[in-house]
Amino acid sequence: EPEVTQTPSHQVTQMGQEVILRCVPISNHLYFYWYRQILGQKVEFLVSFYNNEISEKSEIFDDQFSVERPDGSNFTLKIRSTKLEDSAMYFCASRELLNTGELFFGEGSRLTVL
Amino acid sequence: GENVEQHPSTLSVQEGDSAVIKCTYSDSASNYFPWYKQELGKGPQLIIDIRSNVGEKKDQRIAVTLNKTAKHFSLHITETQPEDSAVYFCAAKGSGNTPLVFGKGTRLSVIA
Repeated sequence: EPEVTQTPSHQVTQMGQEVILRCVPISNHLYFYWYRQILGQKVEFLVSFYNNEISEKSEIFDDQFSVERPDGSNFTLKIRSTKLEDSAMYFCASRELLNTGELFFGEGSRLTVL
Repeated sequence: GENVEQHPSTLSVQEGDSAVIKCTYSDSASNYFPWYKQELGKGPQLIIDIRSNVGEKKDQRIAVTLNKTAKHFSLHITETQPEDSAVYFCAAKGSGNTPLVFGKGTRLSVIA
């Protein structure tokens, strides 16, 4: 069964450092998402991406965050200067169809900022 | 924007009993309501979904009901088994590229 893959599974970084989280969405999917889950809390929307541009973003997704699809397969989330409160599980998700398709989630990348 | 409330936050049931998790949503334009199961250390997995043109949907031991007038929807798991133990999230979404908004989750424990 096709799946969304994410790397790394866990990253530990110092406050102020840049972090890049990588995702490979399902190959025929067109819509890509990043969500965040702080430990024990709900899954929160960060950003959606379609046709090589951001289509929607939440207030969490400030200037410190950026997304990119550098090639035909990878979808990355960059945090420029990490803060303690960025520590969370970051989930990538993809969807084939806009209104009818299921959102498939990856297993997540746990980011720990010290 | 959309706001999804989910209750209870934790639920313990005996194996074989039923479990019910309830959610409410705020945006009457929302038309897609999935339920996700999240096991420890894993990403959310879709278990069932319902659209606003349907009032109830069933898949084996899992059923979901939707009341559009009251803006609430529920997940029902019958004949619970220990492997049903996980965190369950409800979510709601409007049309177009509006994002999926999640509830806070329910930690279900099925006691053997």
